[in-house]
Amino acid sequence: SQKIEQNSEALNIQEGKTATLTCNYTNYSPAYLQWYRQDPGRGPVFLLLIRENEKEKRKERLKVTFDTTLKQSLFHITASQPADSATYLCALASGSARQLTFGSGTQLTVLP
Amino acid sequence: EAQVTQNPRYLITVTGKKLTVTCSQNMNHEYMSWYRQDPGLGLRQIYYSMNVEVTDKGDVPEGYKVSRKEKRNFPLILESPSPNQTSLYFCASSQRNTPSYEQYFGPGTRLTVT
Repeated sequence: SQKIEQNSEALNIQEGKTATLTCNYTNYSPAYLQWYRQDPGRGPVFLLLIRENEKEKRKERLKVTFDTTLKQSLFHITASQPADSATYLCALASGSARQLTFGSGTQLTVLP
Repeated sequence: EAQVTQNPRYLITVTGKKLTVTCSQNMNHEYMSWYRQDPGLGLRQIYYSMNVEVTDKGDVPEGYKVSRKEKRNFPLILESPSPNQTSLYFCASSQRNTPSYEQYFGPGTRLTVT
């Protein structure tokens, strides 16, 4: 069955370091992969989208990679700040799909 | 301001008492959907709508109904709520009905069914 796994439920990192979050998938051939940020008690907010033919996407301090051979996406936050503390969700969809499938998220805490 | 609104934000109800959670977007988006979020299970799609009068089941549709009579509104109806429907619910909209477009989420409705 199709499965999306995000690395360990919680990740703590020191301010200024690079945070790396992982999204692995099995039995899936996604054409699109999206990353969202969710703060406690609030709805997810879109961050980045990457297509299957793109290896890497950047936006300010954020970088996403998409490796269809490894069936994995990595989400990096460089020069992390306490304000980056949140839960990060990855979501996948095939090209013909009408819906995204979400992972359960990784809770990131950036320590001052 | 472009946004998705949901009401109510918090609701405590009893088993079997019909309820409706409203969702409205002001971005003229074609695509709207409902999700529920439970600890450890992530966001799971309940229903989605690709346009007015066009709705379809998501991954967990049992016990829910939806309608899309106007482009901006997409209410979620629980005809006979049960305790296993206690959850955090999110409405979302997207410009087009393909996953190449980002989704905009509402603030969430926390529902407790006793």
